[in-house]
Amino acid sequence: DGGITQSPKYLFRKEGQNVTLSCEQNLNHDAMYWYRQDPGQGLRLIYYSQIVNDFQKGDIAEGYSVSREKKESFPLTVTSAQKNPTAFYLCASSERGQGEKLFFGSGTQLSVL
Amino acid sequence: AQKVTQAQTEISVVEKEDVTLDCVYETRDTTYYLFWYKQPPSGELVFLIRRNSFDEQNEISGRYSWNFQKSTSSFNFTITASQVVDSAVYFCALGANTGNQFYFGTGTSLTVIP
Repeated sequence: DGGITQSPKYLFRKEGQNVTLSCEQNLNHDAMYWYRQDPGQGLRLIYYSQIVNDFQKGDIAEGYSVSREKKESFPLTVTSAQKNPTAFYLCASSERGQGEKLFFGSGTQLSVL
Repeated sequence: AQKVTQAQTEISVVEKEDVTLDCVYETRDTTYYLFWYKQPPSGELVFLIRRNSFDEQNEISGRYSWNFQKSTSSFNFTITASQVVDSAVYFCALGANTGNQFYFGTGTSLTVIP
């Protein structure tokens, strides 16, 4: 079945540690996205990529980094510079173009120890 | 500015009641796209519907219906004869004309009580 796979489902970060969230898709989509979800705040865009080896910052990129070396993969690193990383992280993909719907992964819940 | 407002934070209804989820959007684009997504407790958002700004026809899909009114910048979602499986958080989203960007509302948490 085609879809988006996020791992791990739960992740714990210690102070000063960088952690990486995995996102893989087999939908052959060009565009991929990372969103952060906090209670009562909806989804906020962290980074997005419309093509391999290219990505753009979203509204809350500070303290995060991404790479897009392969079409299928868009990992997100939460760095130690992100002082409030506890949140639910959602990866999504879409076909490239205007108004294409998003396909989402099942999310990663990141908590700070 | 691009913005989506879902004023209803939480709604509870008894099973078989009808319920309408409100969505109001702001955009200066003449071409834009509106979406509804459902987020069940499992966490994964599921696409429900997409509308482009030139298509104001209302749509019905089973127990779901959507009312798009450009005059009031609203894209409301009605569930008829609600069921317990409809319990979820529902997000309205606006797709910009450029850049593959989307703007989400804060979501409405719907609880259907058996």
